[in-house]
Amino acid sequence: GNSVTQMEGPVTLSEEAFLTINCTYTATGYPSLFWYVQYPGEGLQLLLKATKADDKGSNKGFEATYRKETTSFHLEKGSVQVSDSAVYFCALRPGGGGSNYKLTFGKGTLLTVNP
Amino acid sequence: DAGVTQSPTHLIKTRGQHVTLRCSPISGHKSVSWYQQVLGQGPQFIFQYYEKEERGRGNFPDRFSARQFPNYSSELNVNALLLGDSALYLCASGRGLQGKSNQPQHFGDGTRLSIL
Repeated sequence: GNSVTQMEGPVTLSEEAFLTINCTYTATGYPSLFWYVQYPGEGLQLLLKATKADDKGSNKGFEATYRKETTSFHLEKGSVQVSDSAVYFCALRPGGGGSNYKLTFGKGTLLTVNP
Repeated sequence: DAGVTQSPTHLIKTRGQHVTLRCSPISGHKSVSWYQQVLGQGPQFIFQYYEKEERGRGNFPDRFSARQFPNYSSELNVNALLLGDSALYLCASGRGLQGKSNQPQHFGDGTRLSIL
């Protein structure tokens, strides 16, 4: 079956530090890959996505590249801010089109950015 | 446009009771999915409904059921509540168009269910 593995947290950084959160996946075919962010007390917000190999998703300074050869979708940001403190989830959705919207999530990585 | 709305935001129940959670999708979205997020874990898929039909079911017991109405809103029902059902229940909606598999789902803020 499909699965997503994220690096264990928590991750604590100082403001303006470089961020990497590793994510690898197991899936058949060509899944779509997503990063979601969850702020305290809120639901999930889509951060970025990539739908095919070598696609780079980007948003708000965050980037992730869909690497099929290494089955990875690592999240990076060059300079984090205190407001980036949240839980980050890597997720995949099976390919094949149609109405299958089932997302498989990793366990999440808590990021804390200190001023 | 309004996003995905869920009600209630918080709910406290006791073991053995039943609960109904509600979700209204984004206007124009025909797919609704339900997820359970236990504290400290990633969301786990419970159900997907598309055009009022169940299209997917996760590994949850029969105590969990759902339905989708003609206006595409949805209810999640849980019977005989257990302590382990305490979680954040998230609803997500999507367009569900054939072939549009790269369309992301949009999540509501969830219903936090506590079982005493």
